[in-house]
Amino acid sequence: KNEVEQSPQNLTAQEGEFITINCSYSVGISALHWLQQHPGGGIVSLFMLSSGKKKHGRLIATINIQEKHSSLHITASHPRDSAVYICAVKETSGSRLTFGEGTQLTVNP
Amino acid sequence: DTGVSQNPRHKITKRGQNVTFRCDPISEHNRLYWYRQTLGQGPEFLTYFQNEAQLEKSRLLSDRFSAERPKGSFSTLEIQRTEQGDSAMYLCASSLGPRYNSPLHFGNGTRLTVT
Repeated sequence: KNEVEQSPQNLTAQEGEFITINCSYSVGISALHWLQQHPGGGIVSLFMLSSGKKKHGRLIATINIQEKHSSLHITASHPRDSAVYICAVKETSGSRLTFGEGTQLTVNP
Repeated sequence: DTGVSQNPRHKITKRGQNVTFRCDPISEHNRLYWYRQTLGQGPEFLTYFQNEAQLEKSRLLSDRFSAERPKGSFSTLEIQRTEQGDSAMYLCASSLGPRYNSPLHFGNGTRLTVT
């Protein structure tokens, strides 16, 4: 069992739909990151959070420390949101990040 | 601030050859990380530096892999006697430590293909 698990692995949506990607982890963490990776490979940090909720534009990230679970929501999805979304956790015991396998999101016009 | 820069973007090499990748982090960032990502998988941690000191190294990093950050600025990752299984995207990231919750900034990666 991976320390960080994401669901779903693949997600196809129609433009305008509300999207949720889930991340569960099994270790103690000091922070959780949501990252976006486009086909060229470049990774962009979307959020870093250790509690509660953060919002940036159409993106919302939440985390429940007790349940060891985080969600990334995209409101009013658009084809340009198509990318791989990766959850990564920084364990309390070290400095490395442990990554989930990513969720491939495709938003069709 | 031009972000994290990695060179080359792509490298094709024959099995058995040595390759070296370079990462230039954001200038004030003292932490630098190397990750490896294979197709369809999330990145895997390889090693990390705080300034010039290599503080942690993954078991994934065999004796054929070595990383340096001699002046605490840019870093190099060398793979000796490459194998086909080394084909992957090699990602570098940097952050401002030791603030545990400092955001990570990633480079665009170096894609290695070993033929």
